[in-house]
Amino acid sequence: IAGITQAPTSQILAAGRRMTLRCTQDMRHNAMYWYRQDLGLGLRLIHYSNTAGTTGKGEVPDGYSVSRANTDDFPLTLASAVPSQTSVYFCASSDGTGRQAFFGQGTRLTVV
Amino acid sequence: AQSVTQLDSHVSVSEGTPVLLRCNYSSSYSPSLFWYVQHPNKGLQLLLKYTSAATLVKGINGFEAEFKKSETSFHLTKPSAHMSDAAEYFCVVRATGNQFYFGTGTSLTVIP
Repeated sequence: IAGITQAPTSQILAAGRRMTLRCTQDMRHNAMYWYRQDLGLGLRLIHYSNTAGTTGKGEVPDGYSVSRANTDDFPLTLASAVPSQTSVYFCASSDGTGRQAFFGQGTRLTVV
Repeated sequence: AQSVTQLDSHVSVSEGTPVLLRCNYSSSYSPSLFWYVQHPNKGLQLLLKYTSAATLVKGINGFEAEFKKSETSFHLTKPSAHMSDAAEYFCVVRATGNQFYFGTGTSLTVIP
């Protein structure tokens, strides 16, 4: 089934380590997004990309970086993880015409 | 800037009674609005969307929402709650830059 694939599904990471969360979509959507979900805060936008080669900062970008080398892939990197980055991370994509965003199944990250 | 406010963090209803989940939006223009549902330990599923067509929008599983510009509201309703409706519900607005911004969520409990 076409959609968004995130990897890993879950990860326990030591503080200070570098980590890349992977996201791949096969719907040829132009726009992609990374969110983090924390209890009581909903989903907050970390970074987004409206098209390959461009990225933008969302609501909570500090400590995270992204790249968009091609249409399908949108990795999220934590350069030096901290415990406050413990969260569930969702990748999403949209075709940019106002239709809905489609979401991956999430990556549960625990930083210890 | 566009944003949404979900007025209730928790709602409890008895099975078979109506559901009302409230959402107000802030936007300087007619926005695109969405409701997503997240069942425990699952990803996000689109319930319905408003994109400036009919103001009463019907979604999946018997849910519907009405866009009221005069009240800047987009409340989600269902005539009769089912046990399977217990979940977290998110109101979402799509911003002019094509980003999607989430409310903080409403947790729906259905009492047998």
